[in-house]
Amino acid sequence: EIVLTQSPATLSLSPGERATLSCRASQSVGTYLAWYHQKPGQPPRLLISYASNRATGVPARFSASGSGTDFTLTINSLESDDFGVYYCQQRSDWPPLTFGQGTRVDIK
Amino acid sequence: QVQLQESGPGLVKPSETLSLTCNVSGGSIRNYFWNWIRQSPGKGPEWIGYVFYSGSSNFNPALQGRVTISADVSRSQFSLKMTSVTAADTAIYFCARGQDGYNHSFDYWGPGILVTVSS
Repeated sequence: EIVLTQSPATLSLSPGERATLSCRASQSVGTYLAWYHQKPGQPPRLLISYASNRATGVPARFSASGSGTDFTLTINSLESDDFGVYYCQQRSDWPPLTFGQGTRVDIK
Repeated sequence: QVQLQESGPGLVKPSETLSLTCNVSGGSIRNYFWNWIRQSPGKGPEWIGYVFYSGSSNFNPALQGRVTISADVSRSQFSLKMTSVTAADTAIYFCARGQDGYNHSFDYWGPGILVTVSS
């Protein structure tokens, strides 16, 4: 099973700042990596698929990169709606599909 | 706009079978993978398994032997059955669609249903 490790666990930032989130895979997943954003009481929302492709309706301030084992999600100029927990997810070597443990982005 | 909605009992007794249904509206169930995913409080999501609209399925090996997922194209629904539940199966259960006819990621999700395993 591929383990995804996200860092940092928590990021405390102010609106307008840039957030940089990391996801590291225990073995190569190629570009079969997705990113999600989850707010309390809601399901995760797909942001990025295939490592760098923004999903429909996702603002351009969200960008992502990486391949193999190291991936990054960048949020430029944080807005209040961006706070919550971000998860990465792989579908390279499956079953099972696996998710990371999450990075919480808090308001500073 | 595709919408998914989970339904089923919110309380299941230990050793019994958990049964949930996901109703799909606003789009066809055909040509897509349909997934069940669960999330315990404070944890990352855990993929349970999928069913393709044609009926083929695959599961998380950690749950294999306890899980069945089936699809009913005529009713635009798919269902999860998990046997021999324990307190460890207490979680919010989500249904979700595999994006673009593949299953690399999940583009539509239901709101989730809390299932508690307790006597």
